[in-house]
Amino acid sequence: KQEVTQIPAALSVPEGENLVLNCSFTDSAIYNLQWFRQDPGKGLTSLLLIQSSQREQTSGRLNASLDKSSGRSTLYIAASQPGDSATYLCAVIYSPLVGNYQLIWGAGTKLIIKP
Amino acid sequence: NAGVTQTPKFRILKIGQSMTLQCTQDMNHNYMYWYRQDPGMGLKLIYYSVGAGITDKGEVPNGYNVSRSTTEDFPLRLELAAPSQTSVYFCASSYSKGAIGNTIYFGEGSWLTVV
Repeated sequence: KQEVTQIPAALSVPEGENLVLNCSFTDSAIYNLQWFRQDPGKGLTSLLLIQSSQREQTSGRLNASLDKSSGRSTLYIAASQPGDSATYLCAVIYSPLVGNYQLIWGAGTKLIIKP
Repeated sequence: NAGVTQTPKFRILKIGQSMTLQCTQDMNHNYMYWYRQDPGMGLKLIYYSVGAGITDKGEVPNGYNVSRSTTEDFPLRLELAAPSQTSVYFCASSYSKGAIGNTIYFGEGSWLTVV
């Protein structure tokens, strides 16, 4: 059974720091991995999508890496800003049976950037 | 540029009452999903649909029903509400099943409290 874990559950850092959020998964047979951002009272916004054949994806100050063999992904945020404060979730597309695809979610990391 | 729209945003129900959460998307996506998010937990899939007239159960379908009469709409019905159904509900849609290779779009959530 695929399980997705995000550690830490919460993180508070001063503005301007570079930081890394972690996501691990137990079964390396994934199709892709996505990072999402969730703001309080809002829905989820997709940040980066990494296909299983890719090693990383970049968007602005965000860089996501994927290491399938070790079951890990990291989301790197450069030069953090107060506006980056949100909960970050990762999710994997996983196929436990042929033709059956599931989106399995981590519980998220709540990030607070202090001005 | 509406994307996925959910209503209502907030609702308080008494135990035993029924209600319907509405969801509509304007992106012509075939795949639609209902998730619930409990505090400190990842999203759990309640039901999903692969197209008009076709629905299937997710991880936690008990106590819920769905229908998909059109491509755009995917309402979620709660019958005989119970306190365990207090949660935040998210509707989502994607171009492909399980969002393989494509991102998944979320509504802003519906906060439901059962008292």
